[in-house]
Amino acid sequence: GQQVMQIPQYQHVQEGEDFTTYCNSSTTLSNIQWYKQRPGGHPVFLIQLVKSGEVKKQKRLTFQFGEAKKNSSLHITATQTTDVGTYFCAPGANNLFFGTGTRLTVIP
Amino acid sequence: EAQVTQNPRYLITVTGKKLTVTCSQNMNHEYMSWYRQDPGLGLRQIYYSMNVEVTDKGDVPEGYKVSRKEKRNFPLILESPSPNQTSLYFCASSPGTEYSNQPQHFGDGTRLSIL
Repeated sequence: GQQVMQIPQYQHVQEGEDFTTYCNSSTTLSNIQWYKQRPGGHPVFLIQLVKSGEVKKQKRLTFQFGEAKKNSSLHITATQTTDVGTYFCAPGANNLFFGTGTRLTVIP
Repeated sequence: EAQVTQNPRYLITVTGKKLTVTCSQNMNHEYMSWYRQDPGLGLRQIYYSMNVEVTDKGDVPEGYKVSRKEKRNFPLILESPSPNQTSLYFCASSPGTEYSNQPQHFGDGTRLSIL
């Protein structure tokens, strides 16, 4: 299946600091989805990016799709304890292959 | 309420004893899939189904079987479970068609321990 590398694997931030996770592919992606999984929970869909260079915002979350459609990022501004969880990117066409995820810990 | 329901939520069993994890969705979704989640490896797809009677292997299908006889159900079968299949399993569904992606809705997960 498609291979994507997601970095970092873990990130600890102080509450109020910013956080970014990156998803990189060696091949061009048709689209990419982002999911969040809270501790003990199941993945929940956040957003889908389709167009080259696309940028979408959800409150403090900013999602970007690279111009070459080979990478994507999720940036959280001024993290809060509610942001704790693992963030997955998931590129795919007919089916989804998930990145390994970035586990975010927010220290109050 | 729109949901994906997995059963059981937890199961401890022994090597070689056949088991089935059921998955049912009430959203009339065409696409369903199974994932396993292991520490450091993220979510890996086991099998997926585009529609009734259509199933395909994902990344890690070995040791698993699935069937899609009805649109709403997509059971995962472990004919002869082994300890390396100890994992957290998620079922997911989406209204996706063959040439597009739709958001996947996940069940709450099934934690399997094979002794």
